[in-house]
Amino acid sequence: NAGVTQTPKFRVLKTGQSMTLLCAQDMNHEYMYWYRQDPGMGLRLIHYSVGEGTTAKGEVPDGYNVSRLKKQNFLLGLESAAPSQTSVYFCASSKMDNEQFFGPGTRLTVL
Amino acid sequence: AQSVTQLGSHVSVSEGALVLLRCNYSSSVPPYLFWYVQYPNQGLQLLLKYTTGATLVKGINGFEAEFKKSETSFHLTKPSAHMSDAAEYFCAVRTLSSGGGADGLTFGKGTHLIIQP
Repeated sequence: NAGVTQTPKFRVLKTGQSMTLLCAQDMNHEYMYWYRQDPGMGLRLIHYSVGEGTTAKGEVPDGYNVSRLKKQNFLLGLESAAPSQTSVYFCASSKMDNEQFFGPGTRLTVL
Repeated sequence: AQSVTQLGSHVSVSEGALVLLRCNYSSSVPPYLFWYVQYPNQGLQLLLKYTTGATLVKGINGFEAEFKKSETSFHLTKPSAHMSDAAEYFCAVRTLSSGGGADGLTFGKGTHLIIQP
């Protein structure tokens, strides 16, 4: 079991560029989440999904889009990156509203 | 709405001493509470959780936490600190959407635990 994996691990973007972060889980979990972690802020929920084909906004959704076309994958997109989106992004998954399992993170820098 | 407050962004203890990390929460529904640990450049790992039942919960690596409803607290303790315990610790509470379904976790800002030799 790989658990939750994230691709890529690191990325540097220029302002205005776009990119997609990929999250994959092999635990057959229904729920998947995207968080961002900033110094002194803890983790904040960006978007989440309670099942294939469904997504919902979290606490800080602006500037991000998501898709859950397959149960095991949850994609996070940045259409036009801004320096304020420099952060570490974590994906997580869970079975219903039980404990969440986290991926190793993606460190994104926007110049 | 749910929220989590962790008292102390940094806590320093000597090796072998008691570890106490404080967490207070607010929740409009019966809370599910979690403690996660994050080692440098890694993801978060679950230490322990409280959902229902026994209010004293034991986790991995010798940590435990007690749910106190009257104090809205869920403090994390360990009797004897090890150097390997140095990490960032996050308290979290389950959040619920307006429809009543779970929609993620609300995290505290984290406490950096420093272990002095």
